[in-house]
Amino acid sequence: GAGVSQSPRYKVAKRGQDVALRCDPISGHVSLFWYQQALGQGPEFLTYFQNEAQLDKSGLPSDRFFAERPEGSVSTLKIQRTQQEDSAVYLCASSLEGQGGDQPQHFGDGTRLSIL
Amino acid sequence: AQTVTQSQPEMSVQEAETVTLSCTYDTSENNYYLFWYKQPPSRQMILVIRQEAYKQQNATENRFSVNFQKAAKSFSLKISDSQLGDTAMYFCAFMNYGNQFYFGTGTSLTVIP
Repeated sequence: GAGVSQSPRYKVAKRGQDVALRCDPISGHVSLFWYQQALGQGPEFLTYFQNEAQLDKSGLPSDRFFAERPEGSVSTLKIQRTQQEDSAVYLCASSLEGQGGDQPQHFGDGTRLSIL
Repeated sequence: AQTVTQSQPEMSVQEAETVTLSCTYDTSENNYYLFWYKQPPSRQMILVIRQEAYKQQNATENRFSVNFQKAAKSFSLKISDSQLGDTAMYFCAFMNYGNQFYFGTGTSLTVIP
């Protein structure tokens, strides 16, 4: 596609349920990032992939959060046993292979997750 | 750890006027990148401008320019000839060479017709 695609756009779940958020990066983009953006805040880094390798997961807030990118393209962010504090917009971004900010990140529209 | 501070939660500017958004950051690294992103209500983050720390020349993109002061760790965004479409949240961001990205808390800019 022309841009980064995220689905679903909105997700409502009951506390304790598991959720899966999908990200389709721009074709050919090697790097993929996940961010969590709480209401009124800036995005916070969760994890980073280069192809299928998860090179940095230091931002994942707990072991309930898990991300994968098995074939180096589509990525899924899974949250198990959701809690109310998980309510946020989850943003995905992708970029061509590059060092640091050499290649700009292109963001998707995000998934707004609401935990009841 | 890197931190990015935007001390202006909200700003407004008259259409066609100039406005400057402030950003400071804290890092012990010498090489890094700085960015300004725009996030309209539609939510998609759009890159406005980028600055490499090793470059002394300030980046410019049409009506957008930055004032990068490396020693002071300051990275302000100037928007000239403001347009109604510039109304959005603006985020300052820092990225190190390890691809770790840090955003500020944002400045909500309103352009008044």
